[in-house]
Amino acid sequence: KQEVTQIPAALSVPEGENLVLNCSFTDSAIYNLQWFRQDPGKGLTSLLLIQSSQREQTSGRLNASLDKSSGRSTLYIAASQPGDSATYLCAAPSGSARQLTFGSGTQLTVLP
Amino acid sequence: EAQVTQNPRYLITVTGKKLTVTCSQNMNHEYMSWYRQDPGLGLRQIYYSMNVEVTDKGDVPEGYKVSRKEKRNFPLILESPSPNQTSLYFCASSLFRATTYEQYFGPGTRLTVT
Repeated sequence: KQEVTQIPAALSVPEGENLVLNCSFTDSAIYNLQWFRQDPGKGLTSLLLIQSSQREQTSGRLNASLDKSSGRSTLYIAASQPGDSATYLCAAPSGSARQLTFGSGTQLTVLP
Repeated sequence: EAQVTQNPRYLITVTGKKLTVTCSQNMNHEYMSWYRQDPGLGLRQIYYSMNVEVTDKGDVPEGYKVSRKEKRNFPLILESPSPNQTSLYFCASSLFRATTYEQYFGPGTRLTVT
């Protein structure tokens, strides 16, 4: 059964800093991993879907990497802004490949 | 606008009173699913549907029912709600199975069972 862990649970940084969010998963037999953003009181928004064959995926100031061999993914946010404040979740496929298992998320606060 | 809608957004009910939370998507997606989100436990899948009339249990299906009679709708039914079903519920859809394609989430339904 897939298990997904995100560390740290919360992170506070000053505006302008580059930062890295971490995600680890136990079942490395996956072919992609997704990163989501959740704002308070709102649903989840998909940020990046990274295929194992790609190893990296970029969208604006966001860059996600995937290393299946080590069971890790990272989300890099460049030049952070207060508007980036949210909870970031990663999700990896389960063994059945019909379900996603979510991490508990990293709550990011970017201070002006 | 491509979206997943849920109704109601907020619901307070009493133990044992049957309720339905509706979910609808306008993207012609085949895959739909329901999640609940609880502090410290994260998002857990309740049920999912690969297509019309095809549904499967997720990780926490006890106390819930679903049906998929039309492609666009995937209602979540609580036949006899209990306080431990107080939670934030999300419906999601994707083109095909969630593990391959980007998932779109609804805004959430906050349910309180007293």
